[in-house]
Amino acid sequence: DGGITQSPKYLFRKEGQNVTLSCEQNLNHDAMYWYRQDPGQGLRLIYYSQIVNDFQKGDIAEGYSVSREKKESFPLTVTSAQKNPTAFYLCASSISRDSGANVLTFGAGSRLTVL
Amino acid sequence: AQSVTQPDIHITVSEGASLELRCNYSYGATPYLFWYVQSPGQGLQLLLKYFSGDTLVQGIKGFEAEFKRSQSSFNLRKPSVHWSDAAEYFCAVGYSTLTFGKGTMLLVSP
Repeated sequence: DGGITQSPKYLFRKEGQNVTLSCEQNLNHDAMYWYRQDPGQGLRLIYYSQIVNDFQKGDIAEGYSVSREKKESFPLTVTSAQKNPTAFYLCASSISRDSGANVLTFGAGSRLTVL
Repeated sequence: AQSVTQPDIHITVSEGASLELRCNYSYGATPYLFWYVQSPGQGLQLLLKYFSGDTLVQGIKGFEAEFKRSQSSFNLRKPSVHWSDAAEYFCAVGYSTLTFGKGTMLLVSP
């Protein structure tokens, strides 16, 4: 079955360390997204990518970085510059950002805890 | 700028009772509206979407939503709630990128 795989599901990090969250999709979707979810805050867009080797900042990109070297992969790095990285991170994809209104398919999420 | 307001943080409904979750949006053009559901520790699942046409849209799991342009609302309804409906519900608006509300947690009492 097609879908989005996020790993790891749980991750613990010490302050000052960078950590990379994996997101892989086999849906042949062009667009991919990273959202951050905090209790009572809904989802906030970190980065998105419409096509390979291209990505744009979302609303809260500071302290994060991404790459899109392959269509199916969109890893997110949480850097030591992110002041409050403890959160639930959700990866999503859609067929194409320009094909019409986006229907997002989500992964199961990765929970990052900074100790 | 687009925005979504879900005025209820928590709602408790008795099993078998009807449900309505409120969503108000702000959007500069014809809105594209969505409802997603999230079980604890999981990703989001699409319940239904509105792009155009009939203002009453049907979704999965017996949910429906009605788009009311005059009220800038897109409320989610279900005639009879089941215990398995307990989850967090998110309304979203947008075209190329989506803006989500802060969510409404639905609790179902026996």
